[in-house]
Amino acid sequence: QKEVEQNSGPLSVPEGAIASLNCTYSDRGSQSFFWYRQYSGKSPELIMFIYSNGDKEDGRFTAQLNKASQYVSLLIRDSQPSDSATYLCAVNKDNAGNMLTFGGGTRLMVKP
Amino acid sequence: GAGVSQSPSNKVTEKGKDVELRCDPISGHTALYWYRQSLGQGLEFLIYFQGNSAPDKSGLPSDRFSAERTGGSVSTLTIQRTQQEDSAVYLCASSLTPVETQYFGPGTRLLVL
Repeated sequence: QKEVEQNSGPLSVPEGAIASLNCTYSDRGSQSFFWYRQYSGKSPELIMFIYSNGDKEDGRFTAQLNKASQYVSLLIRDSQPSDSATYLCAVNKDNAGNMLTFGGGTRLMVKP
Repeated sequence: GAGVSQSPSNKVTEKGKDVELRCDPISGHTALYWYRQSLGQGLEFLIYFQGNSAPDKSGLPSDRFSAERTGGSVSTLTIQRTQQEDSAVYLCASSLTPVETQYFGPGTRLLVL
């Protein structure tokens, strides 16, 4: 079992719809969780991070964390074609400055 | 302010040659990370620096890989006797402190022929 798992996709949604991206992790001691967006041929850029159970909203993006079930999700409301990218889930296991463990990413396609 | 910069942006080399990849972190960031991303794959952790020391080298794939950081700033990742499987994008990230958010550079695309 991979430490951080994501459905590779592609996830295809129509413009204006809600895109739901999911991520599960295996280490129950994981402390912080990040969503990065990566356009083709570009480096990852941070969208959101979340530490506590529940929802965290930032504009059109909402991160949801459920530590008991060991999953974290990213919702994108009013999806735009410009949101089309690969979304990487990353987990920092112990907040001690170790590396981020990344999932393989989910490719999102938003169709006009 | 300036972000993380990396050089060269692209590197083509022959199998068996040594290569050096450079990373300039965001000014003031104490933590620096190297990752590798193969085509269509996720990011693979290589090494992490806190200041000039590397408390976690667990991700280096072989003894052909080494990295150093000087002056708490610039870092160099060296790959000796390159192999074709070393072809990937090498990404550097930095964070203000080890527990802060990591910001990525544009990467170095390495192709070993």
